[in-house]
Amino acid sequence: GAGVSQSPRYKVAKRGQDVALRCDPISGHVSLFWYQQALGQGPEFLTYFQNEAQLDKSGLPSDRFFAERPEGSVSTLKIQRTQQEDSAVYLCASRGDTGREEKLFFGSGTQLSVL
Amino acid sequence: AQTVTQSQPEMSVQEAETVTLSCTYDTSENNYYLFWYKQPPSRQMILVIRQEAYKQQNATENRFSVNFQKAAKSFSLKISDSQLGDTAMYFCAFMSYSGGSNYKLTFGKGTLLTVNP
Repeated sequence: GAGVSQSPRYKVAKRGQDVALRCDPISGHVSLFWYQQALGQGPEFLTYFQNEAQLDKSGLPSDRFFAERPEGSVSTLKIQRTQQEDSAVYLCASRGDTGREEKLFFGSGTQLSVL
Repeated sequence: AQTVTQSQPEMSVQEAETVTLSCTYDTSENNYYLFWYKQPPSRQMILVIRQEAYKQQNATENRFSVNFQKAAKSFSLKISDSQLGDTAMYFCAFMSYSGGSNYKLTFGKGTLLTVNP
């Protein structure tokens, strides 16, 4: 596609439910990132993929958060047993290569509300 | 660890006037980029301008320019001839490219800019 696509745009979950958030990066982009943006805050890094390899997951807040990119394109961020503090916008971004190309292309995010 | 501080939670400016958004950062790295991103209500992060730390010349992009003071670790954004479409959240961000960490963006908390007609 022309840009980074995320779905769903909005997700409401009851506390304790599992959710899955999808990211379609720009075609051919090697690097993919997930960020979490709490209300009124800047985005915070969650995890990074280079193709299908998850090279950094240091930002994942707990073992309830899991991300995958099995074929090196589409990625899914899964949150198990959601809690109210998980309510945030989840942004996905992709980048073309693994060198010093620094420009990230962001999607419009998924807004997760946990009730 | 790097930190990015935006001390102005909100700012407003009249259409056609000039406004400056402040940003300071803290790092021990020598090789890095600095960015300003715009986030409208659509939530999509849009790159406004970037600065490579080894370049002394301040970056400019049309109505947008920066004042990069490396020694002071300061990176302010100036918007000239403000337009109604500039109304958005603005985030300052840092990215190191040394030691293999050439991918993480560290963001500030943002400044909400409102351009008034």
